[in-house]
Amino acid sequence: AQTVTQSQPEMSVQEAETVTLSCTYDTSESDYYLFWYKQPPSRQMILVIRQEAYKQQNATENRFSVNFQKAAKSFSLKISDSQLGDAAMYFCAYRSAMNYGGSQGNLIFGKGTKLSVKP
Amino acid sequence: DGGITQSPKYLFRKEGQNVTLSCEQNLNHDAMYWYRQDPGQGLRLIYYSQIVNDFQKGDIAEGYSVSREKKESFPLTVTSAQKNPTAFYLCASKGLPRSFYGYTFGSGTRLTVV
Repeated sequence: AQTVTQSQPEMSVQEAETVTLSCTYDTSESDYYLFWYKQPPSRQMILVIRQEAYKQQNATENRFSVNFQKAAKSFSLKISDSQLGDAAMYFCAYRSAMNYGGSQGNLIFGKGTKLSVKP
Repeated sequence: DGGITQSPKYLFRKEGQNVTLSCEQNLNHDAMYWYRQDPGQGLRLIYYSQIVNDFQKGDIAEGYSVSREKKESFPLTVTSAQKNPTAFYLCASKGLPRSFYGYTFGSGTRLTVV
């Protein structure tokens, strides 16, 4: 079974600085998707960025970028020019790209990293 | 606008009562999911449904039940058999099986046992 591990329960960053959140995963599959979700105090889950495993190029969305290391099974999130509104729980998630029915294709989440942003 | 609506936002349950959490989507998504969120536990899958009139247990299904009579609706019942129901519950949906777009989430229901 696939697993997702976020080893940093809490992180802190100064406003305007850069922070990197770690995520590792375990899978025997070669075709899958990886996601970072943000959950602010409102508790609404917001998709931040996504990556297809077969793409070598790291995904980027404005101030958010990932460092995808497929061989190392690592998928870290870098937030540049941190803003107060970035303070939230961040969840890393894995999903198989195959769909055999059953549980294949379900999102598997890490336990999250709580990010604080200091003014 | 398309999306997922969860209601109520806050729900209080007395010991021994069953309660039902509503989840409705107008995204025409086939798959729907219920997650439970506890502090430090991340999101744990309770039940999921990939098609109308069919659903499967997730990792923590004991004490919960669901139905999927319509594509748009996937209500979750928390039964009296669930010993620790106080938690935040999230509903989600997904479109095409190989969709790259992850899940769309509702805004959640906070359930408290009083």
